[in-house]
Amino acid sequence: KQEVTQIPAALSVPEGENLVLNCSFTDSAIYNLQWFRQDPGKGLTSLLLIQSSQREQTSGRLNASLDKSSGRSTLYIAASQPGDSATYLCAVPMNYGGATNKLIFGTGTLLAVQP
Amino acid sequence: DTGVSQNPRHKITKRGQNVTFRCDPISEHNRLYWYRQTLGQGPEFLTYFQNEAQLEKSRLLSDRFSAERPKGSFSTLEIQRTEQGDSAMYLCASSPLDGTSSRETQYFGPGTRLLVL
Repeated sequence: KQEVTQIPAALSVPEGENLVLNCSFTDSAIYNLQWFRQDPGKGLTSLLLIQSSQREQTSGRLNASLDKSSGRSTLYIAASQPGDSATYLCAVPMNYGGATNKLIFGTGTLLAVQP
Repeated sequence: DTGVSQNPRHKITKRGQNVTFRCDPISEHNRLYWYRQTLGQGPEFLTYFQNEAQLEKSRLLSDRFSAERPKGSFSTLEIQRTEQGDSAMYLCASSPLDGTSSRETQYFGPGTRLLVL
């Protein structure tokens, strides 16, 4: 059974700092890994999707890495800003041979960037 | 492209009542997913449609829950005889079927927050 874990559960940093969020998964047979952002009381916004054949994906100040063999992914946020404050979730699809790519989520990291 | 929409955004109901939520996916997205998220947790998969066919249901989806996607466009999720444990955010997501599962990105709606009193 796939399990996804995120640490830390919460993180508070001053504006301008670089930071790393961690995600680990127990079953390395994944198609891809996705990072999402969720603002309080809102839906999820996809940030980055890394395919299993890739090691990194970058979008602006965000960089996500994937190490399938160790079951880990990191999300690096450069020069953090107060607007980055949100919950960050990682997710992997579970496909048991059918057409479904249902996502298995971690519990998220709540990030607060202090001005 | 207006994104995935969900209605209502908030619903307060009394225990034992029935509720129905609606999801409108992005136009021409074949795949539609429902998830449930409780406070402090990540979303959990409930059910999946490919066009109008419901292809998978989670064990979380008890007999009180039913979902439909009659014409392969919008979907509804109904909860009968609501219980306090049903209080959660119900999220809908859609994605295009491009035959490349490894690149599938699910686009989420804003969710419907349900509170059962």
